[in-house]
Amino acid sequence: DQQVKQNSPSLSVQEGRISILNCDYTNSMFDYFLWYKKYPAEGPTFLISISSIKDKNEDGRFTVFLNKSAKHLSLHIVPSQPGDSAVYFCAASSGTYKYIFGTGTRLKVLA
Amino acid sequence: KAGVTQTPRYLIKTRGQQVTLSCSPISGHRSVSWYQQTPGQGLQFLFEYFSETQRNKGNFPGRFSGRQFSNSRSEMNVSTLELGDSALYLCASSPTSGSPSQYFGPGTRLLVL
Repeated sequence: DQQVKQNSPSLSVQEGRISILNCDYTNSMFDYFLWYKKYPAEGPTFLISISSIKDKNEDGRFTVFLNKSAKHLSLHIVPSQPGDSAVYFCAASSGTYKYIFGTGTRLKVLA
Repeated sequence: KAGVTQTPRYLIKTRGQQVTLSCSPISGHRSVSWYQQTPGQGLQFLFEYFSETQRNKGNFPGRFSGRQFSNSRSEMNVSTLELGDSALYLCASSPTSGSPSQYFGPGTRLLVL
């Protein structure tokens, strides 16, 4: 049973436009959410996080939105750059220090 | 500061064999977590070690085990390998248990034939 779902395996966006990556979760006990970015042949790198007490967190070009009632979070990248092309994983935790990851979305930013 | 290192980077084994993977965390980090990445399942949590103690465990069979040494280096062992164990095994280190800022190594790609 996949508790964290990324239903879009891939996404293509034009350079300069907005990239929106989505993530849905089923466990209402999750209270901390993260996004990681992964380039080929490298491990994932932490991008941005959000606590369940907030509905938005921003860091430069990256903004994460959390909709608790819909059990949905999204990552917005504005403007998208070719270097953003990678696989993006969302992850969730319920305070047990165990992170549940989604299956990833491959983002391709076209120049 | 050196990053997380994992050895070996690539490994080919046959069914029934066992394998040991190694992870050296960032200096000063005491928590090491292990994940299995497969195309259909994403990253799945295996276990976390902190100060030589297993703090958390994912839903994997007992064939998957690990340990952590006093210098925080960690090893993961898989016994009686199955074809389905073919995956990228990632370890991540963090300063404390449960820190959201995990730093991942490049992974060990295991192929079971």
